[in-house]
Amino acid sequence: AAGVIQSPRHLIKEKRETATLKCYPIPRHDTVYWYQQGPGQDPQFLISFYEKMQSDKGSIPDRFSAQQFSDYHSELNMSSLELGDSALYFCASSYTQGEAFFGQGTRLTVV
Amino acid sequence: AQSVTQLGSHVSVSEGALVLLRCNYSSSVPPYLFWYVQYPNQGLQLLLKYTSAATLVKGINGFEAEFKKSETSFHLTKPSAHMSDAAEYFCAVSLGGDMRFGAGTRLTVKP
Repeated sequence: AAGVIQSPRHLIKEKRETATLKCYPIPRHDTVYWYQQGPGQDPQFLISFYEKMQSDKGSIPDRFSAQQFSDYHSELNMSSLELGDSALYFCASSYTQGEAFFGQGTRLTVV
Repeated sequence: AQSVTQLGSHVSVSEGALVLLRCNYSSSVPPYLFWYVQYPNQGLQLLLKYTSAATLVKGINGFEAEFKKSETSFHLTKPSAHMSDAAEYFCAVSLGGDMRFGAGTRLTVKP
């Protein structure tokens, strides 16, 4: 069965650079969630989208933005990267805000 | 707002022994509750979920959890630990939208 696809799987950026993470939800899923998991930490909710509209906002820094496109894929844009942004970024998708299925994550390293 | 608290950041058991990972939730209305497992450098894998049907939920890999409203608990158990169960376990709560995770419990299984 198709799962949530995240790309890239690994990303290395320098401080102050910009990064874009992509998430392709399971087909027919209309809701996407983004989470950030720092080293040794639990996943922290960043933001979610339902039917291409932002539905909820968590602890997402102002330097980050996200959107969901017409094909339901989502992108998380991160600017002015800081060392502390190094983390595993998970995307999850669901149908009408039901059970969420997680992708394998993108590991971002800021050097 | 809903939240979960996992009691014990580290749990160590012997192979073949009972596994008990504790999770208490806080929610103003009956929530959805989940247990996820995360192996090193891996994504989050759903073990089981409670969605207001049966209070005793059976999941994958021999795990189960019981929803106890009177105790606001959703503890995860497995009768006999295997070496392959060593991982990080996260309890999570949702009211149908984004999830809030507990801090995680690292399970170590000794030979």
